[in-house]
Amino acid sequence: AQSVTQLGSHVSVSEGALVLLRCNYSSSVPPYLFWYVQYPNQGLQLLLKYTTGATLVKGINGFEAEFKKSETSFHLTKPSAHMSDAAEYFCAVSGDQAGTALIFGKGTTLSVSS
Amino acid sequence: NAGVTQTPKFRVLKTGQSMTLLCAQDMNHEYMYWYRQDPGMGLRLIHYSVGEGTTAKGEVPDGYNVSRLKKQNFLLGLESAAPSQTSVYFCASTRSGGSYEQYFGPGTRLTVT
Repeated sequence: AQSVTQLGSHVSVSEGALVLLRCNYSSSVPPYLFWYVQYPNQGLQLLLKYTTGATLVKGINGFEAEFKKSETSFHLTKPSAHMSDAAEYFCAVSGDQAGTALIFGKGTTLSVSS
Repeated sequence: NAGVTQTPKFRVLKTGQSMTLLCAQDMNHEYMYWYRQDPGMGLRLIHYSVGEGTTAKGEVPDGYNVSRLKKQNFLLGLESAAPSQTSVYFCASTRSGGSYEQYFGPGTRLTVT
């Protein structure tokens, strides 16, 4: 069965510092992988996704993630944090059957200090 | 193009009361989902539907029922609300044959007292 583990429920960085949010997954089939962002009192917005092809995926707002099959990881990075990046971030993996839901990690709250 | 909309945005119920949450999408998506979000738990799947007239149970289906009478709508019902159902509920949809990318509604914040 598919599962997602996000390491660290809370990450704090200073403005301008590197952002690294960790995600490891398990999947019985080649996975589709996603990062979503949730700002306070809002729904989830897709940041980026990996389906096939290039393993380094670029998303919105300067975020990117690299699919590493050997490490079963899909970590999210941004070179320089901005105050507006403060939000909750969710990693997700596709289910193994068409139509089944994404499996989400428990989320990582990113705080950015000035 | 409104995407995924949810009604209502907020609701307070007393234990034992019933209600229906409505989700609508205008993207002609085949698949629709109901999740609940609780602090530290991420999103957990309640029920889902792969097409009009079909529904299936997810991870946490107890206490909920769903219906998909029209392709664009997916209803979530609570027959007898309990405090444990206090949560934020999200609806999502995606198209068949795609990359499973889901589009989310803005959520319904439900409090059961």
